[in-house]
Amino acid sequence: AQTVTQSQPEMSVQEAETVTLSCTYDTSESDYYLFWYKQPPSRQMILVIRQEAYKQQNATENRFSVNFQKAAKSFSLKISDSQLGDAAMYFCAYRRTNYGGATNKLIFGTGTLLAVQP
Amino acid sequence: EAGVTQFPSHSVIEKGQTVTLRCDPISGHDNLYWYRRVMGKEIKFLLHFVKESKQDESGMPNNRFLAERTGGTYSTLKVQPAELEDSGVYFCASSQYKGTSPLHFGNGTRLTVT
Repeated sequence: AQTVTQSQPEMSVQEAETVTLSCTYDTSESDYYLFWYKQPPSRQMILVIRQEAYKQQNATENRFSVNFQKAAKSFSLKISDSQLGDAAMYFCAYRRTNYGGATNKLIFGTGTLLAVQP
Repeated sequence: EAGVTQFPSHSVIEKGQTVTLRCDPISGHDNLYWYRRVMGKEIKFLLHFVKESKQDESGMPNNRFLAERTGGTYSTLKVQPAELEDSGVYFCASSQYKGTSPLHFGNGTRLTVT
């Protein structure tokens, strides 16, 4: 069975600095998707960034980028130029490919609570 | 467009009582998912509807949980009777298609069983 591990329950970063959130996963499959979701306090969880395992290039979305190390089964999230609005719970998630009708059934980690200090 | 809406936002009930959570997906989204996060742990998949049919209910913890989606629109998740370990945040999410379309989450319902 697939598992996702986030070993940092809490992280803190100064505004304008860079922070990296860690995520490792375990799977025997070769093709899959990885995601980072963000949940601000009392607000909806939103997708931050997505990575297809067959792509070697790391995904980027503005100030957010990932370091995808497939062999090491590592998928860290880097937030550059941190802003106060980045404060949230961040969840790493795994999903199988859509072959055979797989659904949007995500496997999540336990989350990392990120605080941004002004 | 309106997002995924969940009611109530918070619910506090006593052990043994019944609670019903509701989720209104984005209009036109055939796929509806329920997830749950027990405090401090990972978010876990509960089940998946395609329209009114249960596509996958492998994550439902036990028969005290009953999910319905009559008419393929909104969904309810009933817990009866509630136990202390049912406390957590229940998330609903919807997507237009099964796998490739983005998953839109609601704000969640925080359930506390005392």
